[in-house]
Amino acid sequence: GDSVTQMEGPVTLSEEAFLTINCTYTATGYPSLFWYVQYPGEGLQLLLKATKADDKGSNKGFEATYRKETTSFHLEKGSVQVSDSAVYFCALSEENFNKFYFGSGTKLNVKP
Amino acid sequence: GAVVSQHPSWVICKSGTSVKIECRSLDFQATTMFWYRQFPKQSLMLMATSNEGSKATYEQGVEKDKFLINHASLTLSTLTVTSAHPEDSSFYICSALDPATQYFGPGTRLTVL
Repeated sequence: GDSVTQMEGPVTLSEEAFLTINCTYTATGYPSLFWYVQYPGEGLQLLLKATKADDKGSNKGFEATYRKETTSFHLEKGSVQVSDSAVYFCALSEENFNKFYFGSGTKLNVKP
Repeated sequence: GAVVSQHPSWVICKSGTSVKIECRSLDFQATTMFWYRQFPKQSLMLMATSNEGSKATYEQGVEKDKFLINHASLTLSTLTVTSAHPEDSSFYICSALDPATQYFGPGTRLTVL
């Protein structure tokens, strides 16, 4: 069945460092891919998404490219800030959007 | 973007009581809403899929009679935890589908004493 695997955390970086959080998926058909962010004590917020192969989602300096050949959707940011400290979830939805699959989440700590 | 609210944000109750959590889509209509439970080590567990006007679809292992879901309108779904016990203490998060993306509520922390 469909599934999402993302790198275990926590990831600890210094401010202005480059961020990569790996996410790979297994799916039949043509899923849509998402990154969500959860700040402490809050619900999940959509960060970015991509609906087809080679699409690049971007928002707030974060980017992720839908790579069908490597079944990946890695999250990147060129220069992280302390305010980016949160838990990041990679997710996949089936074509009909009846089901979403989430990775286990990666906690990011950014130190000043 | 689409906004989803949840109420209450935090509830503390005695063991044996029932608690209702509301999930509302504020600026869009959602025929489908989802209910999740988040455990201390952050993983999300899908509990059920709620479709307006029909019975909810529960995931394997989730007790239907324990977690009652009602999706009576296109903007409101409710989750009632019946006869709550301490092991039901958790962070409950809802989301609404609009139309190809899930938008999440802020979550409800339930503490059962």
